[in-house]
Amino acid sequence: EAGVTQFPSHSVIEKGQTVTLRCDPISGHDNLYWYRRVMGKEIKFLLHFVKESKQDESGMPNNRFLAERTGGTYSTLKVQPAELEDSGVYFCASSQFSGFNYGYTFGSGTRLTVV
Amino acid sequence: KQEVTQIPAALSVPEGENLVLNCSFTDSAIYNLQWFRQDPGKGLTSLLLIQSSQREQTSGRLNASLDKSSGRSTLYIAASQPGDSATYLCAVGRGAAGNKLTFGGGTRVLVKP
Repeated sequence: EAGVTQFPSHSVIEKGQTVTLRCDPISGHDNLYWYRRVMGKEIKFLLHFVKESKQDESGMPNNRFLAERTGGTYSTLKVQPAELEDSGVYFCASSQFSGFNYGYTFGSGTRLTVV
Repeated sequence: KQEVTQIPAALSVPEGENLVLNCSFTDSAIYNLQWFRQDPGKGLTSLLLIQSSQREQTSGRLNASLDKSSGRSTLYIAASQPGDSATYLCAVGRGAAGNKLTFGGGTRVLVKP
């Protein structure tokens, strides 16, 4: 089975520009998560989709970040406008079921550099 | 607020030696604990998932224990190999369904041939 796929793998943009990250979860996985790791910090939760609905977006840092999941398939995470502190690695993960018995499958991440 | 700590931050061992990686968490009300491996430039690979009702999980040379009361988990890797060199992360599951992971900072492991 194909894994979780993220596009692009790297992105370098200037401060003030817009960037859109994409995540394709494993087919059939209703649950999709976004996490990020900024320099020198731990990986932090951003939000959780169940199908197309946002189940928990408590980790979204501010309103410059917008996540969508059209039709409950792939998801996008848009940063507009990007700031220097947004630089880091953005990970997407998916799981088939909600609940504490099930683990995650992570993508390889998108490394975002804002200059 | 849940905090997860991994000590040491980095570890270097000769090939063949057993690895012991530590993870501690402040809030014992967790749903699960997961150990991941990350290779440079790659994503996170899940190694072991321990449910809160379990005390340990084993997979091949890997064994992970969980002591909720003391807020600790330990990952043991037997007979280390150079291919085990990577960053190892632990994460505790929280939230209404245990889906929200809180990660530690990771332990960077180097196994020298």
